[in-house]
Amino acid sequence: DVVLTQTPPTLLATIGQSVSISCRSSQSLLHSNGNTYLNWLLQRTGQSPQPLIYLVSKLESGVPNRFSGSGSGTDFTLKISGVEAEDLGVYYCMQFTHYPPTFGGGTKLELK
Amino acid sequence: QVTLKESGPGMLQPSKTLSLTCSFSGFSLSTSGMVVSWIRQPSGKSLEWLAAIDWDGDKYYNPSLKSRLTVSKDTSNTQVFLKITSVDIADTATYYCARQDPFDYWGQGVMVTVSS
Repeated sequence: DVVLTQTPPTLLATIGQSVSISCRSSQSLLHSNGNTYLNWLLQRTGQSPQPLIYLVSKLESGVPNRFSGSGSGTDFTLKISGVEAEDLGVYYCMQFTHYPPTFGGGTKLELK
Repeated sequence: QVTLKESGPGMLQPSKTLSLTCSFSGFSLSTSGMVVSWIRQPSGKSLEWLAAIDWDGDKYYNPSLKSRLTVSKDTSNTQVFLKITSVDIADTATYYCARQDPFDYWGQGVMVTVSS
């Protein structure tokens, strides 16, 4: 299975601060069809995961543009440009280039 | 508007079979390319993909659990089912269904506790 390693496991931020989360894959996530099936999800406390970004950098409908995704191959990054209180929770990267789909261990974003 | 909702027994005893239902609306599983997945999450832990079924009835399983899983769908293509046999305490988790590709819609989840 593809292993996704997220760093850091915990992220302390102040409101308005920009932060980044890294997701590294144990193998390339570039599919033979040219797509890279790497998503980012946010799970707020007590809620189900909410999709943020798909195909590395495409924002889901309704997601604020302070969120951005980048990367290729095995290294990916989620950036939040100006953290807001509603952004707190656990962020997960996930891949479904390779079966079975797998998830990173999560990064918990908390207020400093 | 796409919605998915999971339902299940809440609690069951070890060695029993867990039966889960994902009821969805806003899309049809008969549409070419459509896939619905099951994912679970033990409390305080990350997510684990379990199984999926596509519009053509093809089924996909996590190899680590394949021998215990059965995914199916109803003929109206508005419900997907998951059965897990011989459950034990390690199967205690919140179970989600999601529309796959690109996992853009998730259900609210159903909590399942395995306890004697």
